[in-house]
Amino acid sequence: SAVISQKPSRDICQRGTSLTIQCQVDSQVTMMFWYRQQPGQSLTLIATANQGSEATYESGFVIDKFPISRPNLTFSTLTVSNMSPEDSSIYLCSVKEITDTQYFGPGTRLTVL
Amino acid sequence: EDQVTQSPEALRLQEGESSSLNCSYTVSGLRGLFWYRQDPGKGPEFLFTLYSAGEEKEKERLKATLTKKESFLHITAPKPEDSATYLCAVIRNQAGTALIFGKGTTLSVSS
Repeated sequence: SAVISQKPSRDICQRGTSLTIQCQVDSQVTMMFWYRQQPGQSLTLIATANQGSEATYESGFVIDKFPISRPNLTFSTLTVSNMSPEDSSIYLCSVKEITDTQYFGPGTRLTVL
Repeated sequence: EDQVTQSPEALRLQEGESSSLNCSYTVSGLRGLFWYRQDPGKGPEFLFTLYSAGEEKEKERLKATLTKKESFLHITAPKPEDSATYLCAVIRNQAGTALIFGKGTTLSVSS
């Protein structure tokens, strides 16, 4: 399976600021996704990062709050904009190749003060 | 509404004490069910995919089974290194690629 890295691994940010999280894969993959894992909650899909076009967002998530880029088949970024303490969470990218199985990166632990 | 429920939320076992984790689901048209393991501070690690009722998959001390309403993750003679949170997720036929996750079962195995 693909090797996935994320940067940063963790960060502490002030409310009202923005943070961009990077996801790098060691091989070209068909699909990339961004998830959020809030304390005590299930992993929730934020959006599918589409190469060369706008991301597809799930219900409850909007582009203005979570802009996503995917310039090529190995890289994607998620920005958490105008942050509030409720955005404190673990953010995970995942990739899907030929089968339905998704493989996850190590995650970015975000704390907003 | 599609839902995935895992039980128990937490499970404490002694080394060698076998047990099972449950994942029950209500989805319209199940295409597949996945089990992941997540260690603290890390991303989920893929374990198994199950597609059909009656299907079983095994890996070391773990065996996953699937029925039409639920899946079990059986842990035989667990070791302390099996301590982790185990996540269950499903994918629907009509939903494209979106995984729907349960909240997980946190397993602690003591020696």
